[in-house]
Amino acid sequence: AQSVTQLDSQVPVFEEAPVELRCNYSSSVSVYLFWYVQYPNQGLQLLLKYLSGSTLVKGINGFEAEFNKSQTSFHLRKPSVHISDTAEYFCAVSFSGSARQLTFGSGTQLTVLP
Amino acid sequence: DAGVIQSPRHEVTEMGQEVTLRCKPISGHNSLFWYRQTMMRGLELLIYFNNNVPIDDSGMPEDRFSAKMPNASFSTLKIQPSEPRDSAVYFCASSSQGQSRYEQYFGPGTRLTVT
Repeated sequence: AQSVTQLDSQVPVFEEAPVELRCNYSSSVSVYLFWYVQYPNQGLQLLLKYLSGSTLVKGINGFEAEFNKSQTSFHLRKPSVHISDTAEYFCAVSFSGSARQLTFGSGTQLTVLP
Repeated sequence: DAGVIQSPRHEVTEMGQEVTLRCKPISGHNSLFWYRQTMMRGLELLIYFNNNVPIDDSGMPEDRFSAKMPNASFSTLKIQPSEPRDSAVYFCASSSQGQSRYEQYFGPGTRLTVT
């Protein structure tokens, strides 16, 4: 079965500390991978994407993610977070053959503490 | 670029009433998606259209829900009759063709409360 798992529902971290938000998927076919961010009372905004090529992708706001095919993971990282990074982060996967549909993880609430 | 536009932003209605949510996709985008977000179930795809044609409506919860896309710049999601369990945030998203076809752009959402 094809699925997306975000193991951490909440991640508190102090300002200027590094952070990693984990995403794992289960699939027997090739995938396209995305991270979206949702600020309070707003829609989702694309942070970054992996379609092909380099497995390390950089996105907006200083975030980056690495595609690891052997571990079926696509973890999101930022070396130094800001208060303004407080938001919910969603990992999403498009499974080959599922057209343009995205399957979203359950989300990780990142809270940056002063 | 105005982005994806949804209306209304908030809707409060009584059980049994008809509710219509509206979406205007980004100009030039040919795919449109309707999602529902709740605390219990997270983000669920309800239906998506490609070139105004419904491609997959398997996520529509039941016959009370219907969606239309009469033209490339407008779509509606209708719930009739509404029930308290339909309370959620409903998002519309759109995407284009080519290399960017997997990137979905979301609207701000409509927060629906059914009492």
